[in-house]
Amino acid sequence: DTAVSQTPKYLVTQMGNDKSIKCEQNLGHDTMYWYKQDSKKFLKIMFSYNNKELIINETVPNRFSPKSPDKAHLNLHINSLELGDSAVYFCASSQGGYQYFGPGTRLTVT
Amino acid sequence: AQSVTQLDSQVPVFEEAPVELRCNYSSSVSVYLFWYVQYPNQGLQLLLKYLSGSTLVKGINGFEAEFNKSQTSFHLRKPSVHISDTAEYFCAVSALRDDKIIFGKGTRLHILP
Repeated sequence: DTAVSQTPKYLVTQMGNDKSIKCEQNLGHDTMYWYKQDSKKFLKIMFSYNNKELIINETVPNRFSPKSPDKAHLNLHINSLELGDSAVYFCASSQGGYQYFGPGTRLTVT
Repeated sequence: AQSVTQLDSQVPVFEEAPVELRCNYSSSVSVYLFWYVQYPNQGLQLLLKYLSGSTLVKGINGFEAEFNKSQTSFHLRKPSVHISDTAEYFCAVSALRDDKIIFGKGTRLHILP
């Protein structure tokens, strides 16, 4: 069973489009995250939700909007995509101090 | 606030040789420390963690790390590497009771035949 899953795995789209990435965890964790990994492999936290409530919101353009319909899901919606949004986006969940990561979604904006 | 420095962006090492990947952290409070591994085109997998207790932590795949509070270091070691250890390794830190993890910039371990 996959602990943290993300869909889609690959996403290719044009500038200006709106897209969503979905994340689900079956670990029963209370906290979920979105990270962005750029082309240099640098990982940066974007958002964190605890039990459907936003607790971390790093300096991210407001074109990015996370939504947590329940504590097992944290989706990421991106409006008006830009070239600089191209990256790998990782979802993670945690309980007890360390995080489990999903396989990542490679977003390419052309 | 916490920060993590991984001193080497790339480490080449011959197969079956030992390896050490260096990590230093900065924090004004007590921390948890982690090493994650990212194999090519995959997500991050927890290799090992230090939460409390023994400063020598053993992880998966024969890796271990030692927490050194006085030197604020958490270096990762393996006595004999295999070609399958080729990956990006990330050191990470979080304050106690804080869900936010700060990652280092990663060290690429390149195994030479």
